[in-house]
Amino acid sequence: QVHLVESGGGLVKPGGSLRLSCAASGFTFNDYYMSWIRQAPGKGLEWVSYISSSGLTIYYADSVKGRFTISRDSARNSLDLQINSLRAEDTALYYCARVRTVAGSYYMDVWGNGTTVTVSS
Amino acid sequence: EIVLTQSPATLSLSPGERATLSCRASQSVNTYLAWYQQKPGQAPRLLIHDASNRATGIPARFSGSGSGTDFTLTISSLEPEDFAVYYCQERISWPPGITFGGGTKVEIK
Repeated sequence: QVHLVESGGGLVKPGGSLRLSCAASGFTFNDYYMSWIRQAPGKGLEWVSYISSSGLTIYYADSVKGRFTISRDSARNSLDLQINSLRAEDTALYYCARVRTVAGSYYMDVWGNGTTVTVSS
Repeated sequence: EIVLTQSPATLSLSPGERATLSCRASQSVNTYLAWYQQKPGQAPRLLIHDASNRATGIPARFSGSGSGTDFTLTISSLEPEDFAVYYCQERISWPPGITFGGGTKVEIK
């Protein structure tokens, strides 16, 4: 069964750091692009970053560029997100998702249940 | 930068009625549009990809159409479990990324 499980969220002060992880199972992790998407309380979905299957292609939303770093570990079947210089507006539920890339189309067909990041003093 | 605008923001309907949700792109996006359903306290679920292709396990009452800049998600006859928030999503070629619409909430009238 295809499964994604996020972890690492928590309460952190402004300017602090966290490392989120996503454990993948039930599929060949190395074959897929992966992405992080977040959702602030009561708000819509916001794409954060994605990484190619090889790990060589990485893109970020402008709102997190320079502060967040996405990475993947094929040995652990894990996707990570290092988040630094946290701001109040980074408070959100962070989802890990598998990305299907088919002939130019990118869409997320498997989602985890998310891990919550709260930035507050 | 491509912006996806969903309308209406809220759709109030009764079970059994037809729901028509719109997603308009600020510039042409071919047919690379996806739709997701999100219920309270749950992760989003993929419904439609490439504008009109139902994802695995999605009931036939859900259909997608459109191309270019105007896309529609139709739920032919609302079931009680269909009341949720729906998002459209597109891949952006430049700057590379992914974007979501603001969502349409389908609520019980």
